[in-house]
Amino acid sequence: KNQVEQSPQSLIILEGKNCTLQCNYTVSPFSNLRWYKQDTGRGPVSLTIMTFSENTKSNGRYTATLDADTKQSSLHITASQLSDSASYICVVSGTGGSYIPTFGRGTSLIVHP
Amino acid sequence: NAGVTQTPKFQVLKTGQSMTLQCAQDMNHEYMSWYRQDPGMGLRLIHYSVGAGITDQGEVPNGYNVSRSTTEDFPLRLLSAAPSQTSVYFCASSDGLAPYNEQFFGPGTRLTVL
Repeated sequence: KNQVEQSPQSLIILEGKNCTLQCNYTVSPFSNLRWYKQDTGRGPVSLTIMTFSENTKSNGRYTATLDADTKQSSLHITASQLSDSASYICVVSGTGGSYIPTFGRGTSLIVHP
Repeated sequence: NAGVTQTPKFQVLKTGQSMTLQCAQDMNHEYMSWYRQDPGMGLRLIHYSVGAGITDQGEVPNGYNVSRSTTEDFPLRLLSAAPSQTSVYFCASSDGLAPYNEQFFGPGTRLTVL
C-alpha cells in the first residue's frame, strides 16, 4: 500500500530560525513529489514539485530535496517568518493508469515572534 | 481569474438531510476532484472527474455522489448525511490527468452533521 509519512507532526520555532521537515514515502513506481503549504482555513497551495531526476529545488526561502533511492524528501525553511505558520503537506504521485496521489498527514509549523 | 470557488463555506446538517456542495473553476481544467480532510489525517480522495460526463471513485466514495455536466462545475451530493461525514471538503482542479500537473484547491467547505 502506498504511504507517505511526515515528521515531525508539529514544530514550534522562533522567527528568524531555520527548520527542516521530513517526508518518507513508499509510493512505487514514483512519478513526482509535491510540497504544499496550507494556511489555516484555506486550501493547500503548491510550493514545489520534485521529479525523479531532481535532487534540490528552491522557491524563495523554501528548499526541497529528494533522495529517490531512499524515498525521502525534506523541506527546509530558511529565516522563518510569522507567515510561514501553516501546515506543510507532502504529496506523492506514482505512474500508471490510476491517478490517486497519496497525501501525508502534514507537519504543523508555528513560528513565534 | 477566480480560480476554484466553493459554496457554502460553512454548513450544519442534521442526520439524514441531503445537500449539495458546489464547486466551480474558471481555468478550463479538465480534471476536477473532491477531497475530505479530517483532523490528524491526510486529504482523502472522494471522487474525481477527467472531463465533462466522466466521473470515477476515489478512496472514500461511499455516501457521496457526483456528476460533471460541464467543464466548469463539479458538485458533490450527500444524499443522507451522517455524523461520520463531518469534515472539511476541498475541491481541486488541474490541467489534465498527468501526475505532474499541479492541483489548485478551493477554500473548502466546513460541514458539521449533527
